[in-house]
Amino acid sequence: QVQVVQSGPEVKKPGSSVNVSCKPSGGSFSSYIVNWVRQAPGQGLEWLGAIIPTVDVANYAQKFRGRVAFTADTSTMSVYMQLSRLTSEDTAVYYCALRYDDYVGYWGQGTLVTVSS
Amino acid sequence: DIQMTQSPFTLSASVGDRITITCRASQSIGDLLAWYQQKPGKAPKLLIYKASNLESGVPSTFRGSGSGTEFTLTISSLQPADFATYYCQQYSSKWTFGQGTRVEIK
Repeated sequence: QVQVVQSGPEVKKPGSSVNVSCKPSGGSFSSYIVNWVRQAPGQGLEWLGAIIPTVDVANYAQKFRGRVAFTADTSTMSVYMQLSRLTSEDTAVYYCALRYDDYVGYWGQGTLVTVSS
Repeated sequence: DIQMTQSPFTLSASVGDRITITCRASQSIGDLLAWYQQKPGKAPKLLIYKASNLESGVPSTFRGSGSGTEFTLTISSLQPADFATYYCQQYSSKWTFGQGTRVEIK
């Protein structure tokens, strides 16, 4: 059974950066595409982009290009999202979600990022 | 980028009702469409993948159908636990989500 565990909540100042980690377990790290999705309070779901961990190739949503970066550490089988130049509009729950072939059911528990001065 | 248009935004229904939620893609996505249920403070829960495949453990009252650009999620007999927000998602090219449908008690 695949489980996805994310790092804990973060509180950040405007203009700073945040790093969120995502660690799948119970499956083969080489088999997944790791996607990042966020949800602002009371809003819908928004895709930030994805990374293929084994080849470290990432694809970013146009809206976030230049401000978000995904990295993978195959030694710890973890993936990281860094979002920079934070504003209050980045306050959201950030989810890591895996795609395995045509299955998209493996989601992390979410990481609340609060941006406040 | 592919846009997903989901309707209705809100649906008021009673226990035992049959309800249908529709999702339309701006271009063909084949069958690479998923449906999720989300409750407050929780991560989205997968209900249906590849347009019509029921996720393990999801009641058979949930049914997904469609292909190309038109998709539907049907709940044949609404149960108390089904009052939640539902999202469609295409994963044919990048990921895009519908705006969500809130199913509330009439």
